[in-house]
Amino acid sequence: GAVVSQHPSRVICKSGTSVKIECRSLDFQATTMFWYRQFPKQSLMLMATSNEGSKATYEQGVEKDKFLINHASLTLSTLTVTSAHPEDSSFYICSAGRLGTGRDEQFFGPGTRLTVL
Amino acid sequence: AQSVTQLDSQVPVFEEAPVELRCNYSSSVSVYLFWYVQYPNQGLQLLLKYLSGSTLVKGINGFEAEFNKSQTSFHLRKPSVHISDTAEYFCAVIQAAGNKLTFGGGTRVLVKP
Repeated sequence: GAVVSQHPSRVICKSGTSVKIECRSLDFQATTMFWYRQFPKQSLMLMATSNEGSKATYEQGVEKDKFLINHASLTLSTLTVTSAHPEDSSFYICSAGRLGTGRDEQFFGPGTRLTVL
Repeated sequence: AQSVTQLDSQVPVFEEAPVELRCNYSSSVSVYLFWYVQYPNQGLQLLLKYLSGSTLVKGINGFEAEFNKSQTSFHLRKPSVHISDTAEYFCAVIQAAGNKLTFGGGTRVLVKP
């Protein structure tokens, strides 16, 4: 149990376009979902925390108008990179906290590699 | 706020040799500690975690880690590595009263035959 999926796994887009990444908890309900970005050979940096039905909380330095997060249900959160530019190219990873469990439960998706040309 | 330092960015090791990955953390409050493994182009998989109790924690794939509160460390060890252990390893902490993971910079383990 506790599987998190991401779609797409890889996306290439032109500069100026918007890209939507989905994060789903397949076999559990997620109270909270987290979005991270990871540059090559670097660690994960938390971008934002989203709770179902409420606005996401963004980390300092992350533009909320550029990285739109929607957490419409207990099993789905989406990250939309608006007007993407080459510097947005990165590996985006989501994680989900399982409803009813402690703060130590966080399950990671397989990641989405975004390349902006 | 908390921080995590992984002292080694890369660790080359021969197959069947032991390996230790170092992790030190800083926090003004109690934390939970984690080690994750990341294979190329994949997400993170939990190896083990320390919440409370015994300071020696055993995880999957033969890994173990020891929590040392006085030294604020949580080093990861494996007595005999396999080629398949080649991956990136991340140490992470979360405040006991919070929900945000803070990751270390990662240690790349390269197992040589």
